[in-house]
Amino acid sequence: KNEVEQSPQNLTAQEGEFITINCSYSVGISALHWLQQHPGGGIVSLFMLSSGKKKHGRLIATINIQEKHSSLHITASHPRDSAVYICAVLETSGSRLTFGEGTQLTVNP
Amino acid sequence: NAGVMQNPRHLVRRRGQEARLRCSPMKGHSHVYWYRQLPEEGLKFMVYLQKENIIDESGMPKERFSAEFPKEGPSILRIQQVVRGDSAAYFCASSPMAGGLNTEAFFGQGTRLTVV
Repeated sequence: KNEVEQSPQNLTAQEGEFITINCSYSVGISALHWLQQHPGGGIVSLFMLSSGKKKHGRLIATINIQEKHSSLHITASHPRDSAVYICAVLETSGSRLTFGEGTQLTVNP
Repeated sequence: NAGVMQNPRHLVRRRGQEARLRCSPMKGHSHVYWYRQLPEEGLKFMVYLQKENIIDESGMPKERFSAEFPKEGPSILRIQQVVRGDSAAYFCASSPMAGGLNTEAFFGQGTRLTVV
């Protein structure tokens, strides 16, 4: 079992829909990152969370430390949101990021 | 302030050759991390370096792979005698001196290595 599990693996939505991507982890962490990766492109950091909730534009990220769970929400989704979204955790015991397998999001016009 | 710069973006090597991947961290960042993304797989940690020191290399293959971050110049990930299984995207990330990856992570565009 992976230390970081994301769901769903693939998600197809219509433009304007509200989207939720989930991330569960099994280790103690000091931070959780949500990342975005476009095809053939680099990786962009969307959020770094250690508690609570953060919002940036149409993106909202939440984390529940007790339940070891985080969610990334996209409101009013747009085709340009199509990308792979990756959850990554920084374990309390170390310096490395451990990544989920990613969620491939496709938003159709 | 330029972001994390990786070069080359694409690298083609024949089996048995050496591959050298470069990463220049953001200005003021002294922590560098290398990650590998194999085709159809997630990202995996390889090595964590500070200037002139390897802090954690537990994700590096035992043979043919090495990394350095000299006092001057970029961090280098070297793969000797490449094999087809080394074909992957290699990403570098950097973070500020304080806090490591408890602060925002900055990633480069990656180097896509193809071994033919």
